[in-house]
Amino acid sequence: GENVEQHPSTLSVQEGDSAVIKCTYSDSASNYFPWYKQELGKRPQLIIDIRSNVGEKKDQRIAVTLNKTAKHFSLHITETQPEDSAVYFCAASNSGYALNFGKGTSLLVTP
Amino acid sequence: NAGVTQTPKFQVLKTGQSMTLQCAQDMNHEYMSWYRQDPGMGLRLIHYSVGAGITDQGEVPNGYNVSRSTTEDFPLRLLSAAPSQTSVYFCASLGHTGELFFGEGSRLTVL
Repeated sequence: GENVEQHPSTLSVQEGDSAVIKCTYSDSASNYFPWYKQELGKRPQLIIDIRSNVGEKKDQRIAVTLNKTAKHFSLHITETQPEDSAVYFCAASNSGYALNFGKGTSLLVTP
Repeated sequence: NAGVTQTPKFQVLKTGQSMTLQCAQDMNHEYMSWYRQDPGMGLRLIHYSVGAGITDQGEVPNGYNVSRSTTEDFPLRLLSAAPSQTSVYFCASLGHTGELFFGEGSRLTVL
């Protein structure tokens, strides 16, 4: 089955700096790569996703890049703010459902 | 729309007891799933269903049972609770754009 590795497990940045979280996947048939954000005590929520026919996607301060050859994808957050502090999960799927999640990255943005 | 509703939010069980976590969605989504979340382990798929009458196993199905008699409901049954099943459980349904909509979570402690 699909195996998704996520790094780093914890990340601390100063407000205004950029944050990058990286994921690799094992199944070359995977074609859908979402990112979820989970604030403390809350449910995970989708923040951005990318499909295998696209190399990069941006939404305001967040962007995701995909390298199909290397089987890795990354989340980029620019101009970080304290409210970006949360756990971020990457995921991969070859079916459009049955997502396989990484183990998460705990991001702390300090003022 | 209420979205995805899970009950109960908190439950304490003794080893060997059985219980059912309820999940309902009012978005007419065909796909529903159950995940468990443990510290440092991310979100792991327990069981999923692609429609009424169809269920399948995910990554960690042992000790859990599911059924899908209607589109709206997808209950998760613990047959004989064990301390290793202490976790936070999330039910989720898949929207038409590929987004997973999660319930608020159910925190289960098995003593």
